[in-house]
Amino acid sequence: EAGVAQSPRYKIIEKRQSVAFWCNPISGHATLYWYQQILGQGPKLLIQFQNNGVVDDSQLPKDRFSAERLKGVDSTLKIQPAKLEDSAVYLCASSSRNYNEQFFGPGTRLTVL
Amino acid sequence: QQPVQSPQAVILREGEDAVINCSSSKALYSVHWYRQKHGEAPVFLMILLKGGEQKGHDKISASFNEKKQQSSLYLTASQLSYSGTYFCGTSNRDDKIIFGKGTRLHILP
Repeated sequence: EAGVAQSPRYKIIEKRQSVAFWCNPISGHATLYWYQQILGQGPKLLIQFQNNGVVDDSQLPKDRFSAERLKGVDSTLKIQPAKLEDSAVYLCASSSRNYNEQFFGPGTRLTVL
Repeated sequence: QQPVQSPQAVILREGEDAVINCSSSKALYSVHWYRQKHGEAPVFLMILLKGGEQKGHDKISASFNEKKQQSSLYLTASQLSYSGTYFCGTSNRDDKIIFGKGTRLHILP
């Protein structure tokens, strides 16, 4: 069974630029999560989808972050414009249902200069 | 409310035991444990869904004390492969999972 796929693996941008991350969850998993993990910290949930609907986005900085999950499968997370404090690893995870075991992708390491 | 993990870091020799604690100031519905090796994604260990529940596989087990709003992860006869950062995640019913800051475990040969 293929795992959660993410791209790109690494991205370096300058502040005020835009960036987008892509995630393909495990086939059949209805729930998809985007986390931000700053060095030395635990993952922080940004947004949670159930199929293509948003379950929770209370910690998503909506003035600069956006996410969508079209057709309830792939998802993209966008940052526009980026700030220095957005430097982090962005993890995508999926599970077969809410609050079940989450399978994490390899993450995208974002560096904002 | 982010759960508090203790200790922040542990150094053990292979074969020694370790306990990692996770406590919350809010009532808990479930506790989730993950391990993350350096540069890799977190990997699921176990979920505890009700007070008094205990789970384990191989030499890693966990307990959930609902009244005390805390959980403990037990690593018995640690192996080199156990090295990494352990995160607990807590949730209330119908709420998101909030992860702690992690406990770094380093096993020496």
